Amino acid sequence: GAVVSQHPSWVICKSGTSVKIECRSLDFQATTMFWYRQFPKQSLMLMATSNEGSKATYEQGVEKDKFLINHASLTLSTLTVTSAHPEDSSFYICSVRTGPETQYFGPGTRLLVL
Amino acid sequence: GDSVTQMEGPVTLSEEAFLTINCTYTATGYPSLFWYVQYPGEGLQLLLKATKADDKGSNKGFEATYRKETTSFHLEKGSVQVSDSAVYFCALTSNTNAGKSTFGDGTTLTVKP
Repeated sequence: GAVVSQHPSWVICKSGTSVKIECRSLDFQATTMFWYRQFPKQSLMLMATSNEGSKATYEQGVEKDKFLINHASLTLSTLTVTSAHPEDSSFYICSVRTGPETQYFGPGTRLLVL
Repeated sequence: GDSVTQMEGPVTLSEEAFLTINCTYTATGYPSLFWYVQYPGEGLQLLLKATKADDKGSNKGFEATYRKETTSFHLEKGSVQVSDSAVYFCALTSNTNAGKSTFGDGTTLTVKP
């Protein structure tokens, strides 16, 4: 399977600032990555599909201007939470799609907005 | 649309007890089914999967059989250990939904010594 890393593993920021989260595929050329959000004791909610070299596809209800996704290379996708607010505090998880039905997950990034 | 319903938790068991976590699904097409495990503060790890009806996925003593007739994929383990304490997610990936996955709400398992 693919080895996926995320950076940072946790971040605390002030309300109104922007935060960038990186997702790296260490050993697989990833044309497709997924970004998920997970609230405490809840399931994963798919936010968007990140496609290398093209625009991300956002799920219904996810603000694309709020959550900027850039997938500029086959090994890196970034999620930028712009003008973060306390309600954006969550656990953000990325995954790398390695086949039609297979994905490998990163360790997650915990964001706390004060 | 696709959906996954899994047994509500939390589930608390003694070490060496038998584990069952129920999972049922609805989907168009012919989905693949997965169980993922999440340890505290970490991302998800694939535990096992099955890609067609009657397939049995197995790993680390856990098993689940793809039952098309009952649209189920129940997770079982004959003898749990304290180290199995985690959150377990049932999920499906449908070939009619651009390869996206749908997750259940997760079941928290705590195993006591």
